Amino acid sequence: DAGITQSPRHKVTETGTPVTLRCHQTENHRYMYWYRQDPGHGLRLIHYSYGVKDTDKGEVSDGYSVSRSKTEDFLLTLESATSSQTSVYFCAISGNPGQASEAFFGQGTRLTVV
Amino acid sequence: GENVEQHPSTLSVQEGDSAVIKCTYSDSASNYFPWYKQELGKRPQLIIDIRSNVGEKKDQRIAVTLNKTAKHFSLHITETQPEDSAVYFCAASGGGGNKLTFGTGTQLKVEL
Repeated sequence: DAGITQSPRHKVTETGTPVTLRCHQTENHRYMYWYRQDPGHGLRLIHYSYGVKDTDKGEVSDGYSVSRSKTEDFLLTLESATSSQTSVYFCAISGNPGQASEAFFGQGTRLTVV
Repeated sequence: GENVEQHPSTLSVQEGDSAVIKCTYSDSASNYFPWYKQELGKRPQLIIDIRSNVGEKKDQRIAVTLNKTAKHFSLHITETQPEDSAVYFCAASGGGGNKLTFGTGTQLKVEL
């Protein structure tokens, strides 16, 4: 498995609180992504990064922000958690600039907002 | 942006039969089409991929075909086995940032 680790693996939080999920990679891959997975919706892109401090929005970015201050770390923050953000969150990495390539996924974080 | 549709959402086959999952995409600039398998409680993992300069690719019991003109691609699994039971996702990429846009998934069940 590619060297990609998500933390925490499970979290329960209350509505209105901020939450930060961490993705750490040891592969020196350029691209990093945050997806959420919900029944019937597959994997939907929240935000992605194409380099340190270079990020862009995906299709479901409202209510989420990201930061990438180092190649190896990509943080996802829920600014004020809502029940609709209860989901499984996957981080992914891919490496080849100029050519789309395989994405490797982390183990996932199960987030419950109560 | 890219939109990927995947059918069927569930598929049940008898062991030894073939299974076919179909996807369509909208962005003619997409040029990379991977398929991922996700077992219950696990992360998605790549099983096969194809690029737009190739029409078909095969790896043992798994094959993928691509029709660029019609903008659709399909996954074919032959001689299915119980361990093939999982959720399968197609995806398309080619836009900036190597973004992968996923289909909504197919739950494949291989029955004994």
